[in-house]
Amino acid sequence: GAGVSQSPSNKVTEKGKDVELRCDPISGHTALYWYRQSLGQGLEFLIYFQGNSAPDKSGLPSDRFSAERTGGSVSTLTIQRTQQEDSAVYLCASSYPVLDEQYFGPGTRLTVT
Amino acid sequence: QQQVKQSPQSLIVQKGGISIINCAYENTAFDYFPWYQQFPGKGPALLIAIRPDVSEKKEGRFTISFNKSAKQFSLHIMDSQPGDSATYFCAASYNTDKLIFGTGTRLQVFP
Repeated sequence: GAGVSQSPSNKVTEKGKDVELRCDPISGHTALYWYRQSLGQGLEFLIYFQGNSAPDKSGLPSDRFSAERTGGSVSTLTIQRTQQEDSAVYLCASSYPVLDEQYFGPGTRLTVT
Repeated sequence: QQQVKQSPQSLIVQKGGISIINCAYENTAFDYFPWYQQFPGKGPALLIAIRPDVSEKKEGRFTISFNKSAKQFSLHIMDSQPGDSATYFCAASYNTDKLIFGTGTRLQVFP
């Protein structure tokens, strides 16, 4: 079946602009996670959605970052007033309810110039 | 207490050899320990995972060894192949929560 998809695959933006990154989880997966991978670094948790529960936003680095999930499926990560340090690969993962296995999408490479 | 420490940072192995990557954690509440494999330009792919109620899990050439008392776990790749060359991440989580990742190991397998 189809895996997790993310769009765009690459995004170049100017400092100060807003960007939106999209994630389509695997059908039937109610849990959705966003992570960030900076160049040569590990993966850093950003935000977690589980069903209709309030999202876990504990990993968002600043109030410029926000995310929403519409209809329990597609999610959008928004970064306002982008900074150069926001340049990274943004990865989305999804999982079935009450199961641990998280499946990742290919990521969106964000470059802030 | 949320950290997962991974070593080595890079590893060079000859074809047919054994690759060993180690991870250590502090939070004893963690109950799920996966390993991910990542090729350049791709997202991480789940390779193998273990829970603390077993000490070893094997899938093909990949084995996880788990030492609960030492709070350590490791990935062993037997008969390493050039196609195994990738970056490997260990991770840990509790109760289907977010994954806490190690910093990654870049493995290079030479023919």
